[in-house]
Amino acid sequence: KAGVTQTPRYLIKTRGQQVTLSCSPISGHRSVSWYQQTPGQGLQFLFEYFSETQRNKGNFPGRFSGRQFSNSRSEMNVSTLELGDSALYLCASSFLRGLDYGYTFGSGTRLTVV
Amino acid sequence: AQSVTQPDIHITVSEGASLELRCNYSYGATPYLFWYVQSPGQGLQLLLKYFSGDTLVQGIKGFEAEFKRSQSSFNLRKPSVHWSDAAEYFCAVHTGTASKLTFGTGTRLQVTL
Repeated sequence: KAGVTQTPRYLIKTRGQQVTLSCSPISGHRSVSWYQQTPGQGLQFLFEYFSETQRNKGNFPGRFSGRQFSNSRSEMNVSTLELGDSALYLCASSFLRGLDYGYTFGSGTRLTVV
Repeated sequence: AQSVTQPDIHITVSEGASLELRCNYSYGATPYLFWYVQSPGQGLQLLLKYFSGDTLVQGIKGFEAEFKRSQSSFNLRKPSVHWSDAAEYFCAVHTGTASKLTFGTGTRLQVTL
């Protein structure tokens, strides 16, 4: 089956702008979570959605938000971008039952804020 | 709260040598444990996972890991490293109370020819 698709792969934005990233999970997976990866902070959990509901949220400011659609595709939005938001944003599609229990990651979106 | 420690930030091994990457976790019960590998600019690829049962688990690319409850460890091993194994390796823990992974800081593996 197809993997996790994240678009776009690369983005360059200016401070103060907003950005929307997209993630299409593996077919049949209803849980999508987002992670931020930076050299200084490593991999940090942003939030997780299941059946269009946010189930869990990490310790990020309110500028970071997300949503999930009925087809399980998810978007995350960052408003009023800051230089420190430059990072690789990874989406994970997860199936949390049985032998297939686990998280499959997309290739990520590299966001650069200038 | 659960945490994961990867004490080695950077490891260099010669091609053909054996490899062991260390991972220690902190959690009251038996967690779900994962090892991922990341090549530069790429996403995370799952190498192997442990939930229960046999404490020695086999993964892709010839990797294996052993869960040791008494030491709260889940070390990754490979008997003979290939140059293509050069990458960053992340250990992660998932607990049933929250649908998220907590990652270690990663170990960068360099392979010399």
